[in-house]
Amino acid sequence: GAGVSQSPRYKVTKRGQDVALRCDPISGHVSLYWYRQALGQGPEFLTYFNYEAQQDKSGLPNDRFSAERPEGSISTLTIQRTEQRDSAMYRCASSLAQTGMGNQPQHFGDGTRLSIL
Amino acid sequence: SQQGEEDPQALSIQEGENATMNCSYKTSINNLQWYRQNSGRGLVHLILIRSNEREKHSGRLRVTLDTSKKSSSLLITASRAADTASYFCATDARGNKLTFGTGTQLKVEL
Repeated sequence: GAGVSQSPRYKVTKRGQDVALRCDPISGHVSLYWYRQALGQGPEFLTYFNYEAQQDKSGLPNDRFSAERPEGSISTLTIQRTEQRDSAMYRCASSLAQTGMGNQPQHFGDGTRLSIL
Repeated sequence: SQQGEEDPQALSIQEGENATMNCSYKTSINNLQWYRQNSGRGLVHLILIRSNEREKHSGRLRVTLDTSKKSSSLLITASRAADTASYFCATDARGNKLTFGTGTQLKVEL
């Protein structure tokens, strides 16, 4: 596809369950980012990858959150033992250039709306 | 944490008028980007201005950057109802993660 694709669009699950959110970046984009956005706020950084290497995971709230990008393309954000406070919009973005090597815009997907009951 | 703050938080104007939104940030940056978000949907990239640039234009958009004041402004000229959205500035400090502001909600009325 032409843009960043995220699935599912909506996810409702019970507290304590694990969830996996998927991001398919724009073809050829080297860098991939995960953000979380609360209602009425701007997105907050979670983690990012260059190719398959996770470069920065300083924004992950705790060790229940993890992300991978094993082949340098599709990425999965996994939240284990979900809690109600994890409810938010999770957004993925990709950019063409490797981070730190130029000024490149980030292109965002439509996000996954996660609701923990 | 949010680095930037947009001002005003909300803005309501008539179609055809100009809309100006301001963004302040705290640390040195590589570039600053403006995004638009419609009704909780995806973020659309509008414009990127590098730290060594002072002004940039794209269609009806004009962005300025004052690194000495750590501030930027977004001007939308001849606004349209379709411009109704939330606008976010985001700073790129080290060529990787973006730090977003809190956003300005723009409403353009017919």
